[in-house]
Formats: sequence, C-alpha cells, structure tokens
Amino acid sequence: DQQVKQNSPSLSVQEGRISILNCDYTNSMFDYFLWYKKYPAEGPTFLISISSIKDKNEDGRFTVFLNKSAKHLSLHIVPSQPGDSAVYFCAASEGNKLVFGAGTILRVKS
Amino acid sequence: DVKVTQSSRYLVKRTGEKVFLECVQDMDHENMFWYRQDPGLGLRLIYFSYDVKMKEKGDIPEGYSVSREKKERFSLILESASTNQTSMYLCASSFFSGMRDTQYFGPGTRLTVL
Repeated sequence: DQQVKQNSPSLSVQEGRISILNCDYTNSMFDYFLWYKKYPAEGPTFLISISSIKDKNEDGRFTVFLNKSAKHLSLHIVPSQPGDSAVYFCAASEGNKLVFGAGTILRVKS
Repeated sequence: DVKVTQSSRYLVKRTGEKVFLECVQDMDHENMFWYRQDPGLGLRLIYFSYDVKMKEKGDIPEGYSVSREKKERFSLILESASTNQTSMYLCASSFFSGMRDTQYFGPGTRLTVL
C-alpha cells in the first residue's frame, strides 16, 4: 500500500501559467517532505522541501504548500517554463527513511 | 558540484547471472543509497549505508545485497538475476546522517534481465 500518492500521472500546462502538482500521504509520522525533479536519462535532482512545522516554503518560482490536517502537499510553479517539463516526485521522510510517490509527468507547452 | 556516477547506463543480463552495479560519489558523503524506479511505483529503497562496511535494509531488499568497502563506493549485487529485477536502478548519496538531508542521485542504470 503506497504511503505517498501522486494521483495525477501527467499534467499539461501552457507556458507562463501556473502548474500545480499534488501529493497525498497516509502516514501521520512523516515530518519532512521533499520534491525532486527528473529529466529523462538523468537522476532526480532536489527541488524544494518543507518541514511539518511549516505550511509554506518558497524558492523563486517554486512554492510548496503543506496541509497537515488533510495530509496533502502541493508544488506550485509560477510561471511555468518549457524547461520545467520533467517528472516530479514527491517524497516524505520518517526518521531515516524516504518514501517516494509514483511521480507526475509535467509538460509545459510553449 | 556533487557528482555521483554509476558504472553502466544500460545493462543486459540473463536469468541466473550475478550482476554488480557500482556507484561512486566524489563528495566524501557518509550516506549512500540504492533505489529502483518502476512505472507507477516511484522510487523504492533497496539498501542504504551510513558508513563503511555498514548496511541497512530498505523496503525491498529481497534478492539483493550490497557492499561498501570504501567510503566513496557502494555496490549493489544481484546474486541470481531474475526477470522481475528488470528496472531502473538509481544510486544516491548525502552528507549528514538521517534522511532529511538532500540526496544527490546518479544518472541511473537501466537493467534488463532476459
């Protein structure tokens, strides 16, 4: 049973618009959350993270929101650029383990 | 820049063969990890290591073993490869103990077992 779920396998967005990627989790012991981006033929690269004591973290065009009561987090990319097209993985940390979601393929159309 | 390299980008092996996947990092990181990535399942942790000669099982260790004789090198071993081990294998490393710290990934090895 997957503890971290990314229910949208893919998302298509027009350049300049907002991209919203969603992630749900079931384990209330998770206390740290991360987003990774992966281009084809490359390993995942760290994008942004958030601690469970916060509800928002922003880094340039990327913002992560955490709703602990709903066990939901989202990644907002504004404005979206064609170079953002990649697979995005949500991950959650419980102590010494990282649990990844299945990933969402983002396509930004120019 | 942190660099994590993996010995092969693509590998084709036959059922029953012993397979070695090598990973090397150049940033003196204590922690190293092996994941496999499968469609619809994301990245799943196979094994990790916090120090030389130390290893811990991840979520799916069955059919795999690891070796860490030197700090910079972490090897994943498939003792007897099976078709259900066909997958993308990703190695990662990080500096501090614990999983909160950013993990840096290698480019991956696409393993096909025939």
